[in-house]
Amino acid sequence: EDQVTQSPEALRLQEGESSSLNCSYTVSGLRGLFWYRQDPGKGPEFLFTLYSAGEEKEKERLKATLTKKESFLHITAPKPEDSATYLCAVGYNQGGKLIFGQGTELSVKP
Amino acid sequence: DTAVSQTPKYLVTQMGNDKSIKCEQNLGHDTMYWYKQDSKKFLKIMFSYNNKELIINETVPNRFSPKSPDKAHLNLHINSLELGDSAVYFCASSHRLDRSYEQYFGPGTRLTVT
Repeated sequence: EDQVTQSPEALRLQEGESSSLNCSYTVSGLRGLFWYRQDPGKGPEFLFTLYSAGEEKEKERLKATLTKKESFLHITAPKPEDSATYLCAVGYNQGGKLIFGQGTELSVKP
Repeated sequence: DTAVSQTPKYLVTQMGNDKSIKCEQNLGHDTMYWYKQDSKKFLKIMFSYNNKELIINETVPNRFSPKSPDKAHLNLHINSLELGDSAVYFCASSHRLDRSYEQYFGPGTRLTVT
């Protein structure tokens, strides 16, 4: 069964405390691994797409990496404004279908 | 400049009523989607249209009917609303010819059925 699982469900960090979020998947016909950020009351905001194992993408304090079975979102020296829910999704080989994980709610305290 | 917009932002209605949600994108994309996000924040695709043609139709009750008058608009009509339809509905768009299927989401419509 196609599945995307994110861990942890919630993560509390102090400002400057680096950590990683995990996204593991079992999907046949993978068409990319996507990371989104969702702020309360808003729609998901696109962050990264990764296509193949070994690929990395960076944006400010965020770095996404991909292996054959999972992806990591590394957050370096986070700030309170990084607080949000981070969603992982896999592109399924069926006309743009994305399968989302349940998200990791990140809270960064000053 | 709003890329993907939805109306209304909030919708409160009674069971049995019929309601519609509208979505418009100005990104020049040719594919649009409807997603449902439940109370546990789980986001699940419902429908996808490419150039006004339905290409994804997940297991959704027949009470939900999408309509795409042109490739910049995708509306969602819901008949005979039920309590379980309460959720946040998101519209999204992408360029299907792009290998990435990167999707851009609207702000959401919070539907509450009482």
